[in-house]
Amino acid sequence: AAGVIQSPRHLIKEKRETATLKCYPIPRHDTVYWYQQGPGQDPQFLISFYEKMQSDKGSIPDRFSAQQFSDYHSELNMSSLELGDSALYFCASSLNVMNTEAFFGQGTRLTVV
Amino acid sequence: GQNIDQPTEMTATEGAIVQINCTYQTSGFNGLFWYQQHAGEAPTFLSYNVLDGLEEKGRFSSFLSRSKGYSYLLLKELQMKDSASYLCAVSVDYKLSFGAGTTVTVRA
Repeated sequence: AAGVIQSPRHLIKEKRETATLKCYPIPRHDTVYWYQQGPGQDPQFLISFYEKMQSDKGSIPDRFSAQQFSDYHSELNMSSLELGDSALYFCASSLNVMNTEAFFGQGTRLTVV
Repeated sequence: GQNIDQPTEMTATEGAIVQINCTYQTSGFNGLFWYQQHAGEAPTFLSYNVLDGLEEKGRFSSFLSRSKGYSYLLLKELQMKDSASYLCAVSVDYKLSFGAGTTVTVRA
């Protein structure tokens, strides 16, 4: 069965650079969530989209932005990267905003040097 | 944020049973999830409870008491591959808030 696809799997950037992470949800899933997981920490909710509209916002820095496109894939744009942005970034998708089951992608490991 | 508490670590023997408790204090509760996460990998969905009671899925069972703000995940017939972090996550206003996770170590 198709799963949530994230790209790239690994990314190394320098401070103050920009990064774009992509997420392709499971087919027919119209809701996408982004989470940030620092080393040894639990995943922290960043932002979510339902039917291409932002549905909720968590602890996402102003330097980050995200959107969901017409094909339901989502992109997380991160600018002015800081060392503290180094983390695993997970995307999850669910059939609808009720998120009765949210399935996670394999994550993108971002390292800022 | 939400107050979600679960033990930090648990150790058990292969073939045994382990119960991981999770307590939460929240409003706007939409359900409780349990995820398994191996180091450096994505959380994998295990169970979802929205009504009180026990949900059983093979070797894994999850229980919820909404009035007590309490859930547990029961792992039976433990296998070495069950060594992982188990995350309790509460859905509040349809977004997930995670507990810090319980690291389960299964020993031979």
